[in-house]
Amino acid sequence: AQKVTQAQTEISVVEKEDVTLDCVYETRDTTYYLFWYKQPPSGELVFLIRRNSFDEQNEISGRYSWNFQKSTSSFNFTITASQVVDSAVYFCALRKAGTASKLTFGTGTRLQVTL
Amino acid sequence: KAGVTQTPRYLIKTRGQQVTLSCSPISGHRSVSWYQQTPGQGLQFLFEYFSETQRNKGNFPGRFSGRQFSNSRSEMNVSTLELGDSALYLCASSTDRVDNSPLHFGNGTRLTVT
Repeated sequence: AQKVTQAQTEISVVEKEDVTLDCVYETRDTTYYLFWYKQPPSGELVFLIRRNSFDEQNEISGRYSWNFQKSTSSFNFTITASQVVDSAVYFCALRKAGTASKLTFGTGTRLQVTL
Repeated sequence: KAGVTQTPRYLIKTRGQQVTLSCSPISGHRSVSWYQQTPGQGLQFLFEYFSETQRNKGNFPGRFSGRQFSNSRSEMNVSTLELGDSALYLCASSTDRVDNSPLHFGNGTRLTVT
């Protein structure tokens, strides 16, 4: 069975602080995909990044960066110089290869960025 | 390009009634999946349709059903509503051309059962 754990329920930071959201996953599959989504108050889940299990290269996109480590089954997400607009719930998700659209989501981390 | 469109945005129903939710995927996307989001259970996969066929199903009772039309639009139906069915129902579409295609979600339909 697959499982995604986001141990941080809620994080509060002051604008311009860096913040890291943790994601730990469990799977017996050798090929799988990891995703991060952002859910603002409007409700829709916004796709941020995907990572294949065979590609451990870290990625940076503007103020966002992701650290994927298979050895620790972690796929952490860092926001540098956080902004109020980053306030949202962030979900980490796992998908087994060949299972099309069936994502297993973590419970989410609510990030609150204040001035 | 228009995103995933879900209608209606809000619904209030009474226990025992049935409800139909609608989802229009992004143009060109043939895969449509549905998720239920509740405070207690989080985001849970309901089912997925591809080319009018259900390709995957989550662990939900038979009261939850869906279908997909030839234009890829999808509907989800819940019969004999229970209080516990109150949730945000999210629809997602993808191209399904590669195995790691991301899902693109709509704004959701918030269903309240009283």
